[in-house]
Amino acid sequence: QKEVEQDPGPLSVPEGAIVSLNCTYSNSAFQYFMWYRQYSRKGPELLMYTYSSGNKEDGRFTAQVDKSSKYISLFIRDSQPSDSATYLCAMSSSSGGSYIPTFGRGTSLIVHP
Amino acid sequence: DVKVTQSSRYLVKRTGEKVFLECVQDMDHENMFWYRQDPGLGLRLIYFSYDVKMKEKGDIPEGYSVSREKKERFSLILESASTNQTSMYLCASGLLGDTQYFGPGTRLTVL
Repeated sequence: QKEVEQDPGPLSVPEGAIVSLNCTYSNSAFQYFMWYRQYSRKGPELLMYTYSSGNKEDGRFTAQVDKSSKYISLFIRDSQPSDSATYLCAMSSSSGGSYIPTFGRGTSLIVHP
Repeated sequence: DVKVTQSSRYLVKRTGEKVFLECVQDMDHENMFWYRQDPGLGLRLIYFSYDVKMKEKGDIPEGYSVSREKKERFSLILESASTNQTSMYLCASGLLGDTQYFGPGTRLTVL
């Protein structure tokens, strides 16, 4: 079992839809949770960063962490064609002092007009 | 804004050539990382560095080496490029315990 599982998609939705992207993980020591957005042929850019459990909102984006279920989500409201990209989840812990993140393989999202 | 720059966006090299990929960050981050990204395999860590002149192997260091002579600069070296090293190479930097910020990537093709 991989440490971080993420459905590769593609996930295709109409403009304006609410999008839900998810990752599951197996390492209960993970404390830091991140979502990156990566456009084609570009580097990943940080979208959301949360520590431990709970929700965090930033504009149309909401990140949710459920540590009891080892499950994290990214919700995108009122999705736009410009949201079409690959979304990577990442998580890390302070165990051993390394903080090296473990990445999911990414979910490809297509928002069509 | 954090800025991580990479020396080339696209690079074409021949098998056996020595290849240098340079990365520079402007935020005084201690940590710097080199990844490669391949379809279906996701991001794989090659090497990382916690400080100047320090380096640690990641998950796939074979065929690569690194150099960090200055805090802001982290170089990835392919001693003798091979076709299986054709990939997207991504540099990242960050503070200890903080998230990573990525550069734009270098798409390397080895013929």
